[in-house]
Amino acid sequence: QSVLTQPPSVSGAPGQRVTISCTGSGSNIGANYDVHWYQQLPGTAPKLLIYGNNNRPSGVPDRFSGSKSGTSASLAITGLQAEDEADYYCQSYDSNLSGSRVFGGGTKLTVL
Amino acid sequence: QVQLQESGPGLVKPSGTLSLTCAVSGGSIRNNNWWTWVRQPPGKGLEWIGEIYHSGSTKYNPSLESRVTISVDKSKNQFSLKVNSVTAADTAVYYCASGSGSPSARAFDYWGQGTLVTVSS
Repeated sequence: QSVLTQPPSVSGAPGQRVTISCTGSGSNIGANYDVHWYQQLPGTAPKLLIYGNNNRPSGVPDRFSGSKSGTSASLAITGLQAEDEADYYCQSYDSNLSGSRVFGGGTKLTVL
Repeated sequence: QVQLQESGPGLVKPSGTLSLTCAVSGGSIRNNNWWTWVRQPPGKGLEWIGEIYHSGSTKYNPSLESRVTISVDKSKNQFSLKVNSVTAADTAVYYCASGSGSPSARAFDYWGQGTLVTVSS
């Protein structure tokens, strides 16, 4: 059971907007620690998609955005494209677990 | 641009020791990064194993700490992972990664391609 909770799957048609939630607690997201998001295409290593809650590394399209409020964070993808079909993971820091880095369980995005 | 490459045996016997190395290129292991190991069991999510700074300072996942050792070899620009007393539950793709910044804000911006380690007799 992951410290951060994500929906197992989401789906959307090309061009649509989807959001993926990441729910934590007062010892991680709720303690104002940063949330990061990773995209994992099939058979590949994870890639940093969003860092520091809402910042995109160079080369990541602005169709991807992040937000955080209270004990939750969200990843939004607009203008959905077939190539966005992947697994998405949130990650943060947890002060209750000896300063561990924690991941969400992952969300499979299917582009219909 | 930092590049990371994992290497090590793909098959380990139960109760044995899993040993992997991550070679760092395109940058020095002495820079301001923390060097990290993450694993992913087949069909499952990501699990943070631990991390090390070039000074030798380490941080481990409490659930694995009793069996894990991460070390750094500055002369070879690489860092390593050892997991003792392995079982089938340790079968996973093992990734090395790196990140910089404060402990509570650090993201993993560079990743190796990953290497599958299977625990089986």
